Amino acid sequence: AQTVTQSQPEMSVQEAETVTLSCTYDTSENNYYLFWYKQPPSRQMILVIRQEAYKQQNATENRFSVNFQKAAKSFSLKISDSQLGDTAMYFCAFTPTNQAGTALIFGKGTTLSVSS
Amino acid sequence: GAVVSQHPSWVICKSGTSVKIECRSLDFQATTMFWYRQFPKQSLMLMATSNEGSKATYEQGVEKDKFLINHASLTLSTLTVTSAHPEDSSFYICSASKAGIFYEQYFGPGTRLTVT
Repeated sequence: AQTVTQSQPEMSVQEAETVTLSCTYDTSENNYYLFWYKQPPSRQMILVIRQEAYKQQNATENRFSVNFQKAAKSFSLKISDSQLGDTAMYFCAFTPTNQAGTALIFGKGTTLSVSS
Repeated sequence: GAVVSQHPSWVICKSGTSVKIECRSLDFQATTMFWYRQFPKQSLMLMATSNEGSKATYEQGVEKDKFLINHASLTLSTLTVTSAHPEDSSFYICSASKAGIFYEQYFGPGTRLTVT
């Protein structure tokens, strides 16, 4: 079975600091897609970053970057210069294919609190 | 682009009645739509996958006669909760994917259902 594991239910960080959220996954596929989604108190799901498994270069989006370790099946998210608006639940997600009808597999989420 | 709307955003209904939730892709054609259920501080649970013009595929444990899903066009899917009970109270989220970019899902803002 393909699974996504987020081992940190809750994390807290102060403004301007850096925080890393962990995610591991299990799959026998060679090519797949990994995502980090943010769900703020509004509960709207927001795509933070996407990584394609065949690309060795780690994806970055402004203050957000990932450390993708394919052999270890690890996909952590680093948030630099944390801001109050980063307070949210963060979900790691995975999809094994680019085929129609394939759903995302989500981890249980990490609640991040950023304080001033 | 790639905006998904849901209506209503919040609905309260009495036990035993039915309620319909709409999910629309506003600026693209959605070949596949997904319906999720989310309890507070938990992850998204996939309920069903629907492709335009065909019957939805339900996840194990989801009652298909209770949660009726219709995907009548490439821009509209509906979820009808029939004979709702208080335990059906939850946050329901839809997402949609475009043809050719099936790994990317665009999420609606969610619908909060409260059954009294």
